[in-house]
Amino acid sequence: SQQGEEDPQALSIQEGENATMNCSYKTSINNLQWYRQNSGRGLVHLILIRSNEREKHSGRLRVTLDTSKKSSSLLITASRAADTASYFCATAFGGFKTIFGAGTRLFVKA
Amino acid sequence: EAGVVQSPRYKIIEKKQPVAFWCNPISGHNTLYWYRQNLGQGPELLIRYENEEAVDDSQLPKDRFSAERLKGVDSTLKIQPAELGDSAVYLCASSRVQGESEAFFGQGTRLTVV
Repeated sequence: SQQGEEDPQALSIQEGENATMNCSYKTSINNLQWYRQNSGRGLVHLILIRSNEREKHSGRLRVTLDTSKKSSSLLITASRAADTASYFCATAFGGFKTIFGAGTRLFVKA
Repeated sequence: EAGVVQSPRYKIIEKKQPVAFWCNPISGHNTLYWYRQNLGQGPELLIRYENEEAVDDSQLPKDRFSAERLKGVDSTLKIQPAELGDSAVYLCASSRVQGESEAFFGQGTRLTVV
């Protein structure tokens, strides 16, 4: 499978702490995207990082990409209860096929 | 801007019955995707359209699944006959440029086959 794999599978933290999720993939990619999914809003796009980029920020989100290690990380700073959700990485490669990983389930305790 | 609209939101059918899902993508989005998501898993791509052309249907179980996108706008996904293992959430998404821009997802159709 050329699917991205997120690590850890589940993460529980206190409100205000930082949360870090990792994604590893197997083939060269065009870009990597992170999505969030909760029961209320479905799947929502968070950030896209291209293969020639190393880091991107969006509000409290910081994404890094290391193409030599075929890995990416998503950092959520100062987490809030509302950040409780599943987070998926999606890798786009060859013919713009986009494959999702199985996700990291984040639980932020108030 | 209206989002991706899917219907129905929920569907319960008996096995061997047919079922169809409908998707209206965001206006101006040429790329349309159908995904299937099982509980606790990430979305799995079933088919991807560029306008009205299916450019990637390698993961679509063609013996029972079919899809169409007439006039390059709305799309339907059909299962006939449905099996118990088809129970999942079926997600439709659209994007402006295939693979190079964010995909916007609909709320999905939760299918239960009994």
